[in-house]
Amino acid sequence: QQPVQSPQAVILREGEDAVINCSSSKALYSVHWYRQKHGEAPVFLMILLKGGEQKGHEKISASFNEKKQQSSLYLTASQLSYSGTYFCGTEAKETSGSRLTFGEGTQLTVNP
Amino acid sequence: DTGVSQDPRHKITKRGQNVTFRCDPISEHNRLYWYRQTLGQGPEFLTYFQNEAQLEKSRLLSDRFSAERPKGSFSTLEIQRTEQGDSAMYLCASSLSLVGYTFGSGTRLTVV
Repeated sequence: QQPVQSPQAVILREGEDAVINCSSSKALYSVHWYRQKHGEAPVFLMILLKGGEQKGHEKISASFNEKKQQSSLYLTASQLSYSGTYFCGTEAKETSGSRLTFGEGTQLTVNP
Repeated sequence: DTGVSQDPRHKITKRGQNVTFRCDPISEHNRLYWYRQTLGQGPEFLTYFQNEAQLEKSRLLSDRFSAERPKGSFSTLEIQRTEQGDSAMYLCASSLSLVGYTFGSGTRLTVV
């Protein structure tokens, strides 16, 4: 079953912060985050493997709450280059080592 | 590392025709995935290989779809008797275990 992302879209001014949430109805083995710009392929941002794990990538970080089957992506001091659609991909424990199921995406627009 | 290559980039075909797409993964990656993406949606899982073995195929995939990965190298995805509903971006990705996917640029299929 597809994870649910929220919000569906967000508009920021350069320098503002945003949080994107990803929630699954299944017990999760891992959570991935990807960014896709218009007309391009999704690009891997980070993977979270353990409950409570947090990771950072430049000014983008993420957390994984294994008990709640949720992950959040944090974008701080946003830059114009952060614009795009963000997808979480979840790997269920029942299919661990297999493939990802992606959410519908969150469209992020950063304006000057 | 030349990334994941997909060919062709675009394909326009008449309804009822067969089409075949090719994916060349990153050579060190043993896992290869096919996804389909329509406008405004996240990538939808189609099938997955580990080396040359096809380990999982989506239940949503009809018998018109078939994929191969001979010798665990490149992969082909064939769609027989294409329908208008098959129009989408077909994405190939490769990975190693416990790391993120590297996606190719995709093949955009238009069925007229």
